[in-house]
Amino acid sequence: GENVEQHPSTLSVQEGDSAVIKCTYSDSASNYFPWYKQELGKRPQLIIDIRSNVGEKKDQRIAVTLNKTAKHFSLHITETQPEDSAVYFCAASKDSGTYKYIFGTGTRLKVLA
Amino acid sequence: NAGVTQTPKFQVLKTGQSMTLQCAQDMNHEYMSWYRQDPGMGLRLIHYSVGAGITDQGEVPNGYNVSRSTTEDFPLRLLSAAPSQTSVYFCASRAGGYFGQFFGPGTRLTVL
Repeated sequence: GENVEQHPSTLSVQEGDSAVIKCTYSDSASNYFPWYKQELGKRPQLIIDIRSNVGEKKDQRIAVTLNKTAKHFSLHITETQPEDSAVYFCAASKDSGTYKYIFGTGTRLKVLA
Repeated sequence: NAGVTQTPKFQVLKTGQSMTLQCAQDMNHEYMSWYRQDPGMGLRLIHYSVGAGITDQGEVPNGYNVSRSTTEDFPLRLLSAAPSQTSVYFCASRAGGYFGQFFGPGTRLTVL
């Protein structure tokens, strides 16, 4: 069935360093890939997304890349700050049909000051 | 806009009790869904709806019912609560197409 694998499950970086989280999806018909950030005790919030007709998208310190051939997409955070510490979830979806999201299992990012 | 709202924020039930978690959105979104989040398990889809009158099961539907009589509301019913249903429940909605999903604030449910 449909599946999204996310790695690593935990990631610790020094403040100012970069962090990369990777996801692999199984359904080749997926064409929309959002990323969510969830702070402790809060709801998940959309931070960036990418469509399948785009290879890369940036928004200030965060960027997402997509490799459709390999069915991989990644979140890149540069110049990490303590407030980036959170759990990050990737997801794969389609723009039609059921619109169902398939989430990855999450990455706990810790930015060490 | 209030966005996605959920009630209650916290709930404690005894095994065997039933209850309904409420979810409403004011963004005229077609698609709504319910997730449960357990420690270390990520977000698991319980049920979803692609419009009023249309619902379908997600990956963990057992023990839960849903209905969607209006675009705005998507209640989740626990038929006979079990300790395994202790979790945080999130409702979410999105428009069709290439749009992100908006989450409600969550309901923390404990079943004793």
